Amino acid sequence: EVQLVESGGGLLQPGGSLRLSCVASGFSLRSFEMNWVRQAPGKGLEWLSYVSSDGRTIYYADSVKGRFTISRDNGKNSLSLQINSLGSEDTAVYYCARRRCGHSCYSPHFDYWGPGTLVTVSP
Amino acid sequence: QSVLTQPPSVSGAPGQRVTISCTGSSSNLGADYDVHWYQQLPGTAPRLLIYDDTDRPSGVTDRFSGSKSGTSASLAITGLQADDEADYYCQSYDNRLRGYVFGTGTRVTVL
Repeated sequence: EVQLVESGGGLLQPGGSLRLSCVASGFSLRSFEMNWVRQAPGKGLEWLSYVSSDGRTIYYADSVKGRFTISRDNGKNSLSLQINSLGSEDTAVYYCARRRCGHSCYSPHFDYWGPGTLVTVSP
Repeated sequence: QSVLTQPPSVSGAPGQRVTISCTGSSSNLGADYDVHWYQQLPGTAPRLLIYDDTDRPSGVTDRFSGSKSGTSASLAITGLQADDEADYYCQSYDNRLRGYVFGTGTRVTVL
């Protein structure tokens, strides 16, 4: 069974940093491109970052570029997201999601999601 | 910030058919990027419902169907049931933003 489990969230102060992790099981992470998506309380979904299967290609949403760093360790079947200079706008549930191509890779979708980890930024 | 627009809410009685629209632009749906749909039950992670405009993953009931034309897409739910109450999001790719984009989300209420 495919599973993704995020961890590393919690209550943090503005200006701080944290590292979120996502551990995969039931499939080989090295074979899939991965993403992070977040959802602020009561709000919609926001795509944050993408990493290719070999880790060499990375993209970020403009809203987080420069503060967020995505990485992966295929040997440990894990994905990470480093977040620096935390602000209240970063308060959200953070999901890791597996990218999958359908008929083509022209517009991939996210076929599996973890349950998410809550990050709360407050003084 | 969402570039895909959905109605905030739709509702229907049990057994009825409801549709959710997703309106984009020339840099996403109009550029022939596929649209995908997710269901998010309260307090849970999103679940893939429809991919590549019209396809259903295994395990998703055929009460859910998708369509797309030009810069718009739609999700239809037939035979509405109480456990269909959830938030629904469309998703695609935008070549101007160079990233994945989600719709604003629609809450479905079963009356």
